[in-house]
Amino acid sequence: AQSVAQPEDQVNVAEGNPLTVKCTYSVSGNPYLFWYVQYPNRGLQFLLKYITGDNLVKGSYGFEAEFNKSQTSFHLKKPSALVSDSALYFCAVRDGGFGNEKLTFGTGTRLTIIP
Amino acid sequence: DTGVSQNPRHKITKRGQNVTFRCDPISEHNRLYWYRQTLGQGPEFLTYFQNEAQLEKSRLLSDRFSAERPKGSFSTLEIQRTEQGDSAMYLCASTPRGATDTQYFGPGTRLTVL
Repeated sequence: AQSVAQPEDQVNVAEGNPLTVKCTYSVSGNPYLFWYVQYPNRGLQFLLKYITGDNLVKGSYGFEAEFNKSQTSFHLKKPSALVSDSALYFCAVRDGGFGNEKLTFGTGTRLTIIP
Repeated sequence: DTGVSQNPRHKITKRGQNVTFRCDPISEHNRLYWYRQTLGQGPEFLTYFQNEAQLEKSRLLSDRFSAERPKGSFSTLEIQRTEQGDSAMYLCASTPRGATDTQYFGPGTRLTVL
């Protein structure tokens, strides 16, 4: 079984401040971890992923995420928030076992950047 | 380079009617996925295809739902005898090969069942 938890429904950050959106996961095998962003009435847009290797992953629009195996976390971060970062963010996991193709998503975190 | 496309973007139907959605994946992506997203929730996996073969179906996919990918290119998702609980955003995604690849999503089809 695989699952994802995003403990915060809403995160508010002042423009220019660093932001963190939290994600923890549970899988029985190796985790493949993803972050997506969703703008109103749009599909999901890929930000970054961790498959293997360096625990710090860099992605689109200045976002990065750190894989922490001992804490089973994959928090999304950005050093300086922009108003345009305001959107709905989803963490997703796939158990890396053979033949498993489905992504399991968290319930999402709404990020609001305050000017 | 075009992304995943889905049609229609919006569909309003009356309870009991049948609806069909279409997904065109990114060219040369041999895997195609369907997800359903209800308000306030993350997407939930429904089914996926490798080429024309449907390899996995979620328990969410009741017998009123059927998906096809007859030539390994576009896919259709049909819902028969729609119910109000079917109202959701239906998302399609594709990847080139599989497990470690990123799933790229289309804009979705929003279904409203009256």
